[in-house]
Amino acid sequence: EAEVAQSPRYKITEKSQAVAFWCDPISGHATLYWYRQILGQGPELLVQFQDESVVDDSQLPKDRFSAERLKGVDSTLKIQPAELGDSAMYLCASRGASGRAEQYFGPGTRLTVT
Amino acid sequence: QKEVEQNSGPLSVPEGAIASLNCTYSDRGSQSFFWYRQYSGKSPELIMFIYSNGDKEDGRFTAQLNKASQYVSLLIRDSQPSDSATYLCAVKFNYQLIWGAGTKLIIKP
Repeated sequence: EAEVAQSPRYKITEKSQAVAFWCDPISGHATLYWYRQILGQGPELLVQFQDESVVDDSQLPKDRFSAERLKGVDSTLKIQPAELGDSAMYLCASRGASGRAEQYFGPGTRLTVT
Repeated sequence: QKEVEQNSGPLSVPEGAIASLNCTYSDRGSQSFFWYRQYSGKSPELIMFIYSNGDKEDGRFTAQLNKASQYVSLLIRDSQPSDSATYLCAVKFNYQLIWGAGTKLIIKP
């Protein structure tokens, strides 16, 4: 069964350091999402890609966060510098053909900033 | 402001009983509705989606949609301890999903 891949699964970093997360969506899925989820809350959209283009990054803290999907397949989310408040689960999801709204999530990356 | 509301719980249900989870949404124009299950420390897993008014059944799960009243519910029949998780409701608005904060469900053996 096709799955969304993410790495690393866990990351511990010190504040002010840089950190990067990688996501490989389900093959053929043109739409890719990065979410952040804090314990006890629903996922919060950070950025949405359609192929290699950013569709929505209105909630992305652009002073420290960046995201790219250069060839329209896999994607990287970077935080530099990390802050204590960035500790959360970072989730990647992908969506299939136009007209289908279902999103499928990868296993996530649990980030702890110390 | 598009909102999706869920009771945070926890909702405690005896094993074998029916668990009923509810979700209300603010945007009357929403067309697509989703239920995700999330185990502690894991990512959300899609379990049901519904697009039309009425009921949709898949195994022990039934999603119910009432667009006039702007609510969607999830029924879990013959609840099992493995159903203990947080259930997230998501509503499609334009090209995004608006998420509820989830309801924690506990199935008591």
